[in-house]
Parts: sequence; C-alpha cells; structure tokens
Amino acid sequence: SQKIEQNSEALNIQEGKTATLTCNYTNYSPAYLQWYRQDPGRGPVFLLLIRENEKEKRKERLKVTFDTTLKQSLFHITASQPADSATYLCALGSARQLTFGSGTQLTVLP
Amino acid sequence: GAGVSQSPSNKVTEKGKDVELRCDPISGHTALYWYRQRLGQGLEFLIYFQGNSAPDKSGLPSDRFSAERTGESVSTLTIQRTQQEDSAVYLCASSRGQGNGEKLFFGSGTQLSVL
Repeated sequence: SQKIEQNSEALNIQEGKTATLTCNYTNYSPAYLQWYRQDPGRGPVFLLLIRENEKEKRKERLKVTFDTTLKQSLFHITASQPADSATYLCALGSARQLTFGSGTQLTVLP
Repeated sequence: GAGVSQSPSNKVTEKGKDVELRCDPISGHTALYWYRQRLGQGLEFLIYFQGNSAPDKSGLPSDRFSAERTGESVSTLTIQRTQQEDSAVYLCASSRGQGNGEKLFFGSGTQLSVL
C-alpha cells in the first residue's frame, strides 16, 4: 500500500540554522509533490510545488528537492527564524488525489 | 469571501447524533476536497468534487459519512450516528481545477467532538 513518511520526531533547531525536513514515499509514483505549512488551529497553507521532472525549486528562504529514484523530497528552510515554527506537511499528487504525510513539527529556538 | 469558510468552527455532539458540516469554497474554484485530521495526525482524504463530475468517494470511512455539493459552491459533509472515533478536525479545501499541481486553499476546519 502507499506510504508517506516524514521526519518521525519533532525537529528543534537554533535560529539562523538551516532546517531540513524529509519526505519519503513507497508504492507511489506521484506526478508532483507539494509542501504545506500548518499552524495550530489553522488549515494548511501551500508553500511550494515541484513536479516529477524537476530536481529543485526555490522560493525566498525555501528550497525543495525531488528525487524520484530515491522516492524522497527534502525541504530546506535557510536562515531559520522562530516564526518558521510550525508543522510542515508534504503531499503527493496524481490525477485526482493529493495524499498528505503526517507532518513534521519544527521548532526554531531563539 | 476571500478564503474558504467552514462552519461551525466547533461542534460538540452526543454519540449517536447526526451532524452536518458546511464548507463555502473560494468563488470560481471548481474542485473541493474534504479531509479529516485526528489529533497529531496527518490529513486523511475523505471525498473530492470536481465540477459536475461524479465525486471521488473512495476515502469515506463508512456509509455513515456522506457529502454533497451544490454545483460549484457550498458543500456539506454529513456524519450519521456519530461515534467517538469520529472526533477530529474536518478540513475543507478548494482549488481552481483538477489535479496537475493546483494548490489547495484550506479553511480553518470544524473541530468535532463526540461525547
């Protein structure tokens, strides 16, 4: 069955460092992958999209990579700030469905 | 409105009662999704509507769950004979089109508590 795994533990990092979150998947061939941010009590907010034929995408301090051979996406936040603290969800997409991972809770310590 | 609106924001009900959750998508968005999120968990797909096509109901966990959508506007998710395991946040999202990377815009969800 399809399975999506994100960093199993909450991730704590020091302000100014680069946070790296992983999203691994099995038994799936997604056409694209998205990353969302979710704050407590709120719905997820879209951050980045990367398609299967793309290796890397950047947006301001965010960078995402997509390796379809390893079946893995890495999500980086450079120069992290306490305001980046949230849960980050990866989502794998195909024709009609978008399947979400369980998320990684990131805490950036001042 | 500017975003996806869900109501009520909180719902407390007794086991065995029926509940109805409402979602107002962004105007012009043809696709609408319902997800369930249990505490500390990821999003579990429930149902997907796209225009006038037959909905994808493959995620509905039991026949107690049903959803309707009026054209390309309001959707309601109904849970009959609620059980305690139905307690969760129910999230609605809409997007401009079908698949192919269209980003989803989420509402803030309905927190359902079944006592």
